[in-house]
Amino acid sequence: DAGVIQSPRHEVTEMGQEVTLRCKPISGHNSLFWYRQTMMRGLELLIYFNNNVPIDDSGMPEDRFSAKMPNASFSTLKIQPSEPRDSAVYFCASSSQLIAETQYFGPGTRLLVL
Amino acid sequence: AQKITQTQPGMFVQEKEAVTLDCTYDTSDQSYGLFWYKQPSSGEMIFLIYQGSYDEQNATEGRYSLNFQKARKSANLVISASQLGDSAMYFCAMREGRGDYKLSFGAGTTVTVRA
Repeated sequence: DAGVIQSPRHEVTEMGQEVTLRCKPISGHNSLFWYRQTMMRGLELLIYFNNNVPIDDSGMPEDRFSAKMPNASFSTLKIQPSEPRDSAVYFCASSSQLIAETQYFGPGTRLLVL
Repeated sequence: AQKITQTQPGMFVQEKEAVTLDCTYDTSDQSYGLFWYKQPSSGEMIFLIYQGSYDEQNATEGRYSLNFQKARKSANLVISASQLGDSAMYFCAMREGRGDYKLSFGAGTTVTVRA
């Protein structure tokens, strides 16, 4: 079975540019999570969706960050405009309420903003 | 306050020996879940093991076992018969309450297995 799919795997961009990260959750999973990992702050939850509806976006750092989940098989995390401090690894994870709520992570997108 | 505390930033273990990674948690909820993930140098996050707060027995998954001591609020991961491929960062995480699927992660412990 396919796991969580993220694209791109690596992204290098210049400050001020728009960045869009994409995620396809595991089929049948109804919860989706976006995390950011940095050396300084560790793993932080940015936002999560349940049945395509955003439930908690309190971890989104500021208005430059936005996330959407237009359907059960696709989500995007957008940063506009990007800044060097956004450089991090961004993970998408999904879970099913039926399987002990375990979150399965994608491979991550390594973002570098110059 | 930190919800998950991992006090060991790094550990060395000899191949084939067992290693215990410490994790303590802080919650006032009666229902919660505890998770361990492995992050090898390649970067992906791999789920290892889960323990529910109402589970009476310690969780086990192959060479991984979770030493759950509810009164002490600890959920230590034990890796038996360490292998070179076990070298990685290990994260403890907690989900609090029912119906809330957010995870809080600890800072992680780096394990290096020596041949």
